Amino acid sequence: QKEVEQNSGPLSVPEGAIASLNCTYSDRGSQSFFWYRQYSGKSPELIMFIYSNGDKEDGRFTAQLNKASQYVSLLIRDSQPSDSATYLCAARGDSSYKLIFGSGTRLLVRP
Amino acid sequence: NAGVTQTPKFRILKIGQSMTLQCTQDMNHNYMYWYRQDPGMGLKLIYYSVGAGITDKGEVPNGYNVSRSTTEDFPLRLELAAPSQTSVYFCASSYPRAQTSSGTDTQYFGPGTRLTVL
Repeated sequence: QKEVEQNSGPLSVPEGAIASLNCTYSDRGSQSFFWYRQYSGKSPELIMFIYSNGDKEDGRFTAQLNKASQYVSLLIRDSQPSDSATYLCAARGDSSYKLIFGSGTRLLVRP
Repeated sequence: NAGVTQTPKFRILKIGQSMTLQCTQDMNHNYMYWYRQDPGMGLKLIYYSVGAGITDKGEVPNGYNVSRSTTEDFPLRLELAAPSQTSVYFCASSYPRAQTSSGTDTQYFGPGTRLTVL
């Protein structure tokens, strides 16, 4: 059973702090990893994807991938109340069209 | 572009009833997907399609059927609705990775259909 695990949270951080969201995956064949943000009652929207070991930065967001440890993380710098949402981690094998989603981590950014 | 549209937004069904959830995309994406999301959970893949006339099962296909007669449309059929099918259903679409400049196939999601089976 291929699984993606996330702490459900909530993760509570003050405005302006760095929020760190973590994800582990069980399938060593997973090649691409995605972070989606989902506001309550809304559909998921892609924030970042990563497929190489190391860091990938996009504005206030940094995705980190460590394939040896089967670990993916998302850092949000200068967190804003508008970042309060559930963050879904997803993994996909190189030859697959299918994403395996974690259950999501709820982030609360306190003003 | 409207992107991915889904109808209806909400629906209440009685046990044993049937219905079709509609999904349409206007981005000319080859790939389309149906997911369900139970409260506090991630998304589970029900069915997917890599092109018109081609569909395949995902993780949780039991109780559902799909068809893909056109590139744009990917309806999901529920036969004999059961309370266990109470969920939010999302349709998504994407290009194949080889056709994207990013080298990866971002999935774009519709707004969802909230289904309750009583």
